[in-house]
Amino acid sequence: GAVVSQHPSWVICKSGTSVKIECRSLDFQATTMFWYRQFPKQSLMLMATSNEGSKATYEQGVEKDKFLINHASLTLSTLTVTSAHPEDSSFYICSARDILADRPEQYFGPGTRLTVT
Amino acid sequence: GQNIDQPTEMTATEGAIVQINCTYQTSGFNGLFWYQQHAGEAPTFLSYNVLDGLEEKGRFSSFLSRSKGYSYLLLKELQMKDSASYLCAVTDSNYQLIWGAGTKLIIKP
Repeated sequence: GAVVSQHPSWVICKSGTSVKIECRSLDFQATTMFWYRQFPKQSLMLMATSNEGSKATYEQGVEKDKFLINHASLTLSTLTVTSAHPEDSSFYICSARDILADRPEQYFGPGTRLTVT
Repeated sequence: GQNIDQPTEMTATEGAIVQINCTYQTSGFNGLFWYQQHAGEAPTFLSYNVLDGLEEKGRFSSFLSRSKGYSYLLLKELQMKDSASYLCAVTDSNYQLIWGAGTKLIIKP
């Protein structure tokens, strides 16, 4: 149980284009999903907290107009990187919290490796 | 501010035991997690401690002392596949996970 999927697992795009990453909780409902970014040899950096049916909460320094987050259902959140640039190349990981779980564990998706050329 | 400290890197020998420490200062406490992350992969759950004491799960054990703001992850009978980063994370009063920077564990034959 508690499986989170991400799609795509990797993507290469040209500078200036937009890329959408999907995060799905496959066997549980998640009112809250989290989006992280991780650069090589660095720790996870929380970008935003996504709440079903409401606006995402962005961490300081993260541009909300550049990283659009939509959490339209209890099992799906999307992150759209708009007008991507090479510096946006990174490993993007989502996680989800099971609303019925008795501990505040986050279940992680496998990650999406984005390369912007 | 909120802060979690863990060593940046540790080296150990295959078959040995290693202890990875984590100290934290957070606004409130609702549990501490240890995750394992192999290079290029997402983190995977190892353990969760919310009460003081030792939790044992196979070769891995995790200890918590809330009064000291301290936890450790103990890995026994180390295997080469245990080479990974180990992330300590604390759930604060808002149930938000505060992440440590991770400890890179290198296992040598």
